[in-house]
Amino acid sequence: EDQVTQSPEALRLQEGESSSLNCSYTVSGLRGLFWYRQDPGKGPEFLFTLYSAGEEKEKERLKATLTKKESFLHITAPKPEDSATYLCAARGYSSASKIIFGSGTRLSIRP
Amino acid sequence: DVKVTQSSRYLVKRTGEKVFLECVQDMDHENMFWYRQDPGLGLRLIYFSYDVKMKEKGDIPEGYSVSREKKERFSLILESASTNQTSMYLCASNKGLATQETQYFGPGTRLLVL
Repeated sequence: EDQVTQSPEALRLQEGESSSLNCSYTVSGLRGLFWYRQDPGKGPEFLFTLYSAGEEKEKERLKATLTKKESFLHITAPKPEDSATYLCAARGYSSASKIIFGSGTRLSIRP
Repeated sequence: DVKVTQSSRYLVKRTGEKVFLECVQDMDHENMFWYRQDPGLGLRLIYFSYDVKMKEKGDIPEGYSVSREKKERFSLILESASTNQTSMYLCASNKGLATQETQYFGPGTRLLVL
């Protein structure tokens, strides 16, 4: 069964303190690994799509990386405005049109 | 610019009422999706549609139905609302399966069933 697990559930950092969020996935034949940002009371906002192990993508203070079993969202020198829930999702060949979402990591950055 | 809109941000309904949630996308996307999001459970797929008048059940279709009469519009219907359908409902769309996979989401509708 396809599965996506994110850790930690919640992470509190001081402004400027770099860290990483983890997304472990089990899908048969990865067709895409997605990262989204979600602010309270709003819909998820697309960040990155990764397709193959070794791929990396960057946007401002965020960098997403992909291995055969995991993806990491690295956040460098975060600011309070980076506080949000970050969602990971994966699609495999066997899941037709479905994208499987993790439960998210709630990130809080203290000034 | 990518845009998915939902008809209401907040709704309050009574048990047994018929509820319509509307979603419109202006990106000419083939696929449209309805999810619900609950604390600790993440996003769960209710229904999706890959073409006009076509629909497929997701993981939790019970108590819901959908309608897609036009390519840009996808409606979620709660035939007889129940309190356990209180949730955040999210609509999403993306291009055909063979090309871009990224789903773009609307702002969400927070539904409270009393």
